[in-house]
Amino acid sequence: DIQMTQSPSSLSASVGDRVTITCRASQSISRYVNWYQQKPGKAPKLLIYEASSLQSGVPSRFSGSGSGTDFTLTISSLQPEDFATYYCQQSYSSPRATFGQGTKLEIK
Amino acid sequence: QVQLVQSGAEVKKPGASVTVSCKASGYTFSDYYMHWVRQAPGQGLEWMGRVNPKSGYTNYAQKFQGRVTMTRDTSISTAYMELTRLRSDDTAVYYCARRFNYGSGTYSFDSWGQGTLVTVSS
Repeated sequence: DIQMTQSPSSLSASVGDRVTITCRASQSISRYVNWYQQKPGKAPKLLIYEASSLQSGVPSRFSGSGSGTDFTLTISSLQPEDFATYYCQQSYSSPRATFGQGTKLEIK
Repeated sequence: QVQLVQSGAEVKKPGASVTVSCKASGYTFSDYYMHWVRQAPGQGLEWMGRVNPKSGYTNYAQKFQGRVTMTRDTSISTAYMELTRLRSDDTAVYYCARRFNYGSGTYSFDSWGQGTLVTVSS
């Protein structure tokens, strides 16, 4: 099974900060990574697919990069509504999907 | 617009079974695989399995083999997930999620149900 390891597990930042979350796969998975945002009590929401493609309707301050085993999600200028938990997910192996353990982004 | 609406919260005793439904609208139900993902309190996301709405064929995570059954009723665009022999550690929010395929061969979960809390307690 492909394991996905996110870092950090939690992060404190301020409005306006630039934030980067990383995700490492246990084997090469090309660009087959998706990123989701989850707010308390809500379902996950797709932000980025195929490592760097922005889902329709998602603000352009979100961006993704990477290939192989190392991937990043960057928020260029944090907004109050961005404080949430973020998950990466590999879509290389099918049908089994695996997620990272999550990164909780909190207000400093 | 695509919508997945799940059934309401459930409270079950250990050893019982639960069935969660997921009604789809806004797209052709049989064209997209439906997956189920669960999230224990304060924990991350765990993939449980999927159902092919066209054929009914299923794939399950090994962890749930023998306890989970995923089905669908195409006449009402609804997917179901039944989990049997419930234990306290099955307490979680259960989500259905639509798999969207991209031309490159990859996929994502582009639409999710609102989640169904299943509480297992004696």
